[in-house]
Amino acid sequence: AAGVIQSPRHLIKEKRETATLKCYPIPRHDTVYWYQQGPGQDPQFLISFYEKMQSDKGSIPDRFSAQQFSDYHSELNMSSLELGDSALYFCASSYRDLGAYEQYFGPGTRLTVT
Amino acid sequence: DAKTTQPNSMESNEEEPVHLPCNHSTISGTDYIHWYRQLPSQGPEYVIHGLTSNVNNRMASLAIAEDRKSSTLILHRATLRDAAVYYCILCSMDSNYQLIWGAGTKLIIKP
Repeated sequence: AAGVIQSPRHLIKEKRETATLKCYPIPRHDTVYWYQQGPGQDPQFLISFYEKMQSDKGSIPDRFSAQQFSDYHSELNMSSLELGDSALYFCASSYRDLGAYEQYFGPGTRLTVT
Repeated sequence: DAKTTQPNSMESNEEEPVHLPCNHSTISGTDYIHWYRQLPSQGPEYVIHGLTSNVNNRMASLAIAEDRKSSTLILHRATLRDAAVYYCILCSMDSNYQLIWGAGTKLIIKP
């Protein structure tokens, strides 16, 4: 079965650079979630989209933005990167309209800021 | 947001059942109880969820107390591959099914 795809899997950037992370949800899933997981920490909810509209916002810094496109893939744009942004970034998708509440996660993108 | 409380860690022997407890005394009527797990260096994985009744699936069983203030995830026969951090999370339609992660229980399986 198709799973959530994230790219790239690894990314190294320098401070003050920008980064774009991509997420391709499971086909027919209508909701995408982004999470950040720092070293040794639990995942933190950043933002979610339902049917290409922003649904909820969590602890996402103002330097970050995200959107969901017509083909339902989503991108997380991160600017003015800081050392503290080094983390695993997970994308998850679900089929909210089906009343299916479980989220399926991608393998994550490991971002290292130097 | 409603919160959950779980033991920091638990140990179990391989091929024995494991009962992972979770307390959620402030649960509201619209909160679903979800369990996810995260294996080392992997993304979180959905395990099971329920509302009021006990639930079974191919991975685990979920036993929900009658007052819904606590629940237990049951792995019927733990294997080394079940070693992971297990998260008990409440989510509801009111919050668009956001997952607010707590500390989770690190399950250690001894061969």
